[in-house]
Amino acid sequence: AQTVTQSQPEMSVQEAETVTLSCTYDTSESDYYLFWYKQPPSRQMILVIRQEAYKQQNATENRFSVNFQKAAKSFSLKISDSQLGDAAMYFCAYRRGKNEKLTFGTGTRLTIIP
Amino acid sequence: DSGVTQTPKHLITATGQRVTLRCSPRSGDLSVYWYQQSLDQGLQFLIQYYNGEERAKGNILERFSAQQFPDLHSELNLSSLELGDSALYFCASSGNSRTGRTTQYFGPGTRLLVL
Repeated sequence: AQTVTQSQPEMSVQEAETVTLSCTYDTSESDYYLFWYKQPPSRQMILVIRQEAYKQQNATENRFSVNFQKAAKSFSLKISDSQLGDAAMYFCAYRRGKNEKLTFGTGTRLTIIP
Repeated sequence: DSGVTQTPKHLITATGQRVTLRCSPRSGDLSVYWYQQSLDQGLQFLIQYYNGEERAKGNILERFSAQQFPDLHSELNLSSLELGDSALYFCASSGNSRTGRTTQYFGPGTRLLVL
């Protein structure tokens, strides 16, 4: 079974600084998809960024980028120029196929210090 | 706004009761997924429907059931409720028939409190 591990329950960063959230996963598949979702205090699950395993290039969405290391099964999220609105729980998620379930990590609570 | 709607937003009920949670997927999405978020279990996949048929089952209790209707909306039925069923229940949709998009977008969730 696939597992997703987020080893940092809590992180904090100064506003405007850069922070990296870690995620590792375990799978025997060669083709899969990885995601970061954000859950602010409203509890809404918001997609931050996605990465297809067959793509070597790391995904980027504005201030959010990932470091995807397929051999190491690592998928970290970098948030640049942190803003107060980035404060949330961040969940790493794995998906085996195109229309299959998501397997989530336990989440990292990110606090932004003004 | 993800385009996925869920009703009701909040539900308070008593042990032993039965409730129905409703989800309308994004326009054109054929797949609906149900997830449960609780403090002790985290985010767990319950069940998936694709174009009206059950596609995959996760850690869904026998007291829980779901279905997807011809208009593609889905309902999650929870019966003989226990205190431990208190959680946030999410619906997500994907599998767009027009765009082929497979990313799951989540509804706002239904917060269930069993007293």
